[in-house]
Amino acid sequence: GAVVSQHPSWVICKSGTSVKIECRSLDFQATTMFWYRQFPKQSLMLMATSNEGSKATYEQGVEKDKFLINHASLTLSTLTVTSAHPEDSSFYICSAKISTGTYEQYFGPGTRLTVT
Amino acid sequence: AQSVTQLDSHVSVSEGTPVLLRCNYSSSYSPSLFWYVQHPNKGLQLLLKYTSAATLVKGINGFEAEFKKSETSFHLTKPSAHMSDAAEYFCVVSSGGYQKVTFGTGTKLQVIP
Repeated sequence: GAVVSQHPSWVICKSGTSVKIECRSLDFQATTMFWYRQFPKQSLMLMATSNEGSKATYEQGVEKDKFLINHASLTLSTLTVTSAHPEDSSFYICSAKISTGTYEQYFGPGTRLTVT
Repeated sequence: AQSVTQLDSHVSVSEGTPVLLRCNYSSSYSPSLFWYVQHPNKGLQLLLKYTSAATLVKGINGFEAEFKKSETSFHLTKPSAHMSDAAEYFCVVSSGGYQKVTFGTGTKLQVIP
């Protein structure tokens, strides 16, 4: 149990376009989801915390108008990279926290975004 | 506040020899601690977790870790390395009702045949 999926797993887009990444909890409800960014050979950096039915909380330095997060249901959160630029190319990973219980987060497999 | 320090960015072992990946944490509250593994271009897989139960935690693939409060450590060990263990390992801390987790900088494990 506690499976999180991401779609797409890999996307290439042109500069100036927008890309939407989906994060789904498949077999549990997640009131809170997190979005991380991982640069090559580096650790994961938290971008934002997404709570179902409310606005996301962004970490310092993350542009909320560029990285739009929507948590429309208890099983789905989306990250939209708007007006993408090559420097946005990265590995994006989401995680979901079970509504009750421990602090454990369940991670998705990640989405590799390449902006050309 | 919470933080985690992975003392080695790179560890190299021979196949069949023991593995030790070091992790120290800092937390104002009783922490939950996790070890994740990431293979190249893959997502994160949970190896094991400590959440205030037994201090010696056994995980998947023969890995285990011991929570030592006096040393604020949560080192990851395995008695005998396998080639498939070559990957990046992350130590993670979460504490105090604080939803966020904090990742260590990662340790790359190389297994030499």
